[in-house]
Amino acid sequence: NAGVTQTPKFQVLKTGQSMTLQCAQDMNHEYMSWYRQDPGMGLRLIHYSVGAGITDQGEVPNGYNVSRSTTEDFPLRLLSAAPSQTSVYFCASSYSSEQFFGPGTRLTVL
Amino acid sequence: SQKIEQNSEALNIQEGKTATLTCNYTNYSPAYLQWYRQDPGRGPVFLLLIRENEKEKRKERLKVTFDTTLKQSLFHITASQPADSATYLCAPPPHGGSTLGRLYFGRGTQLTVWP
Repeated sequence: NAGVTQTPKFQVLKTGQSMTLQCAQDMNHEYMSWYRQDPGMGLRLIHYSVGAGITDQGEVPNGYNVSRSTTEDFPLRLLSAAPSQTSVYFCASSYSSEQFFGPGTRLTVL
Repeated sequence: SQKIEQNSEALNIQEGKTATLTCNYTNYSPAYLQWYRQDPGRGPVFLLLIRENEKEKRKERLKVTFDTTLKQSLFHITASQPADSATYLCAPPPHGGSTLGRLYFGRGTQLTVWP
């Protein structure tokens, strides 16, 4: 099993550009989440999903969209990137309480 | 709103000693609490989960306690080794609603074990 995979590993965007961060898991987990991690702020929940077709907002959802069309994939979309979205983004999946994290995407918005 | 505090941003100890990390929470009572380890440039990795009706849980050199009266969890690493150097994150579920699929993380404590 590959576990949780994320692409790309690094990305640089200009303000106003859009992009999609990819996340996939091969463990057949129902639950998937997106977090961002900033220095001194810890991990903060952006959006999460409790199953295909079901998503909900987390702590910091503004500026991000998600969809969950399959159990395996949970992409995170930035519609119009802003410098405040410079961060490291982690995707996670779980079938119960324990979460399995991907390796992260480091995003810089200029 | 709920608040999670980990006692210090950094903890430095000598190899062989016991490291003790503290996680305090306020304004709610989580049914369980998890601890994760994060190495630089990597995602967090699950270590232990302790439930509110468990006072203590152990896994090899790791021990976690959960005091619902003090609203505090302690994370101990005995016989610490330089390889234990990492950031340790306290993570209870958020207050209210379904807790599956989402966690609320503390800022973490960076542990350095020196030889």
